[in-house]
Amino acid sequence: QLQVQESGPGLVKPSETLSLTCTVFGDSLSSSTYNWGWVRQPPGKGLEWIGGVFYTGTAYYNPSLRGRVTTSVDMSKNQFSLRLSAVTAADTAMYHCARIRTANFDTWGRGILVTVSS
Amino acid sequence: DIQMTQSPSSLSASIGDRVTIPCRASQSISRFLNWYQQKPGKAPKLLIYDASTLQDGVPSRFSGSGSGTEFTLTIDSLQPEDFATYYCQQSYNTGFPTFGGGTKVEVK
Repeated sequence: QLQVQESGPGLVKPSETLSLTCTVFGDSLSSSTYNWGWVRQPPGKGLEWIGGVFYTGTAYYNPSLRGRVTTSVDMSKNQFSLRLSAVTAADTAMYHCARIRTANFDTWGRGILVTVSS
Repeated sequence: DIQMTQSPSSLSASIGDRVTIPCRASQSISRFLNWYQQKPGKAPKLLIYDASTLQDGVPSRFSGSGSGTEFTLTIDSLQPEDFATYYCQQSYNTGFPTFGGGTKVEVK
């Protein structure tokens, strides 16, 4: 059964870069025809699409975050990653990775809480 | 971008009630609309995709309807485990999916 799991630091300083990794279990990124992406949820608020990677390898992002966000895939490790630069307190959120099947998110990770604070 | 609006942000219901949760898109999205359930401290769970198709393993008391800009999630005979927050999400713009603000179903 497919599972995805987020990992990375839970605390990032303002102006620094947030880096998270999602490990995929039960599917191979090198042969998958699914897309993969990231969604965040600030405490007590709703869901926001951050960005992702099409199965072709092309990345796509939320326009409001473009310029700060980068996603990538490491097929040798069966992982995909998120980097968000120049973070502020507004980037404090639970970050989820997910598999995207025809633009719906059918499998989610449990999430990792990232706090931006000095 | 396509804006998704969910109103009300919360509603109160009792066990056994029929609950309807609306969602509106800022432009026509055909039937490219998905619904998720989220419980506190948990990841969202896909319930319905393409407006009315039930995801595998989701109880049949959940159903979805609508097209264009107006959509509804219906829960027939609300169960204790259904108290949660429900989000709609448009998949019409595959490069920029957007979510509604959520509707929390609370105990009356």
